[in-house]
Amino acid sequence: SQTIHQWPATLVQPVGSPLSLECTVEGTSNPNLYWYRQAAGRGLQLLFYSVGIGQISSEVPQNLSASRPQDRQFILSSKKLLLSDSGFYLCAWSAGTGVAYEQYFGPGTRLTVT
Amino acid sequence: AQTVTQSQPEMSVQEAETVTLSCTYDTSESDYYLFWYKQPPSRQMILVIRQEAYKQQNATENRFSVNFQKAAKSFSLKISDSQLGDAAMYFCAYGAGSQGNLIFGKGTKLSVKP
Repeated sequence: SQTIHQWPATLVQPVGSPLSLECTVEGTSNPNLYWYRQAAGRGLQLLFYSVGIGQISSEVPQNLSASRPQDRQFILSSKKLLLSDSGFYLCAWSAGTGVAYEQYFGPGTRLTVT
Repeated sequence: AQTVTQSQPEMSVQEAETVTLSCTYDTSESDYYLFWYKQPPSRQMILVIRQEAYKQQNATENRFSVNFQKAAKSFSLKISDSQLGDAAMYFCAYGAGSQGNLIFGKGTKLSVKP
């Protein structure tokens, strides 16, 4: 069966510090991968998605970036965190391209920027 | 641009009773999918039910059913025989196109009273 992991589960970082959040998927190959952010009192906002290694599409301009160095690994990064980067970050995967494919979400990372 | 609106920030239901959560959306697409996701206190997003726009029949999954009104762009979720475990945030989401991007509403917090 497929599983999706995210770490760390929680993170407290000062403004201006770098960020690296990792997401890995097991039990499937060539998944579509997604990074979402959930700010307090708001729904999920798609940040990045990837249909393959090295292929990243950005939905929202920001100081965050994403990379996919391996087939089942998706990394969310920042060189300098802002207060507004605080939130709950969710990684998701789907078996194919298109909304017909169900997205399966990871447990999330709660990021607090102080 | 597509938007998803959930007008009920919070709802409450008595255990074993029925509750309906509202969702409206705006799109110019004719082919799309609509989803209801559940986010319990553990924060892991779980797909509850989905509806394909070209299907006129309302989707049903056990105690969960939807009322899909395509002309009115309305997509409500009905939970029958509510259980304590149904307490969670519920998000309505819209998806269209080939990339799998989902647009989420801000969510409705459902409380279930024993």
